[in-house]
Amino acid sequence: GENVEQHPSTLSVQEGDSAVIKCTYSDSASNYFPWYKQELGKRPQLIIDIRSNVGEKKDQRIAVTLNKTAKHFSLHITETQPEDSAVYFCAASKGGSGNTGKLIFGQGTTLQVKP
Amino acid sequence: DSGVTQTPKHLITATGQRVTLRCSPRSGDLSVYWYQQSLDQGLQFLIQYYNGEERAKGNILERFSAQQFPDLHSELNLSSLELGDSALYFCASSVGPGAQETQYFGPGTRLLVL
Repeated sequence: GENVEQHPSTLSVQEGDSAVIKCTYSDSASNYFPWYKQELGKRPQLIIDIRSNVGEKKDQRIAVTLNKTAKHFSLHITETQPEDSAVYFCAASKGGSGNTGKLIFGQGTTLQVKP
Repeated sequence: DSGVTQTPKHLITATGQRVTLRCSPRSGDLSVYWYQQSLDQGLQFLIQYYNGEERAKGNILERFSAQQFPDLHSELNLSSLELGDSALYFCASSVGPGAQETQYFGPGTRLLVL
């Protein structure tokens, strides 16, 4: 069945360091991979996404890479700041004939950025 | 603010009861998704509606049902509630049927079953 594995479950870094979160998906038909940031008690907010026809995408301090062969994608945050502290979720979905946006989420990574 | 609204914000009820959660999508969005977030299960997809029709179903219990109305708002009905149904329920919306589309999440409804 469809599954997304996310690692690590917790990550602690010093302010200014980089953080990397990795996800692996099981369904090779998956073609859309968003990343959401969720602060305590708040809604998940999209921070970046990537589609399967692209290998890498950057937005300021955030980048995502996709390896379709390995069914693996990663989130990279550079120059981390205390306000980056939150839970990060990766997700995957596939279009195809059903054309649905059903998202399968990873288990989440709690990122702590120490000042 | 994502433009997706959900009511109520909090709901406290007893086992065996029935509740209705409401979601209004962003203006112009035709799809509504429901997700359940619990501590042990993470974010789980429940169901998607697109332009009034059911589009996809996840691990939604038979005690749960949903619908999307002509004005595109959606309701999630949870019946015969159990303690384990306590969770955050999010709805999200996207502009079309969903493939490779950004989903915008509402603020959620926190359900506590006592």
